[in-house]
Amino acid sequence: ELKVEQNPLFLSMQEGKNYTIYCNYSTTSDRLYWYRQDPGKSLESLFVLLSNGAVKQEGRLMASLDTKARLSTLHITAAVHDLSATYFCALHAGNMLTFGGGTRLMVKP
Amino acid sequence: DTGVSQNPRHKITKRGQNVTFRCDPISEHNRLYWYRQTLGQGPEFLTYFQNEAQLEKSRLLSDRFSAERPKGSFSTLEIQRTEQGDSAMYLCASSFADFPAFNYGYTFGSGTRLTVV
Repeated sequence: ELKVEQNPLFLSMQEGKNYTIYCNYSTTSDRLYWYRQDPGKSLESLFVLLSNGAVKQEGRLMASLDTKARLSTLHITAAVHDLSATYFCALHAGNMLTFGGGTRLMVKP
Repeated sequence: DTGVSQNPRHKITKRGQNVTFRCDPISEHNRLYWYRQTLGQGPEFLTYFQNEAQLEKSRLLSDRFSAERPKGSFSTLEIQRTEQGDSAMYLCASSFADFPAFNYGYTFGSGTRLTVV
């Protein structure tokens, strides 16, 4: 059974600090997605990572993929309150996306 | 194209009633997916269509659930004899089947939040 695991599940951080969210998965895949979800809202696409060693950056968020380790990371640099949300990784395998459990990020002033 | 559209946004129903949700995907996309998300969890795959053909169904999709995409455009998800455990956000997404280099994305709709009382 395919498993996608994120940690931590909950992250409370101060503005200005850096942190990393980890996404481990149990099968080979050529595509890993990161999404953001605000409370009561749908999923906003952040990044699509397509190959081993892929790195993408947008603003204070940077995502990377290590297909050999079956690991993706989402790094947050100098967090601001607007980044407070739940972040999901999702693995493309078998013609669908399988999601991790999500990381709820709270950035405090 | 305004993206993936889902209706209704919210539905409150009594246990035992039937409900139907609609999803209008991005018109160029030939794949359409249904996911269910309960509070505090990640979305879980239910089923997907390529054009009008339903190609895969999760074991989460019990006999009370049925989905259709009759003309390969919009899709409906019906839940019969609703139970309190069916309360969740139902998300629809669409994509290209062959994921061309210019578009690897899955586009999600705003979802339908179902509350069974």
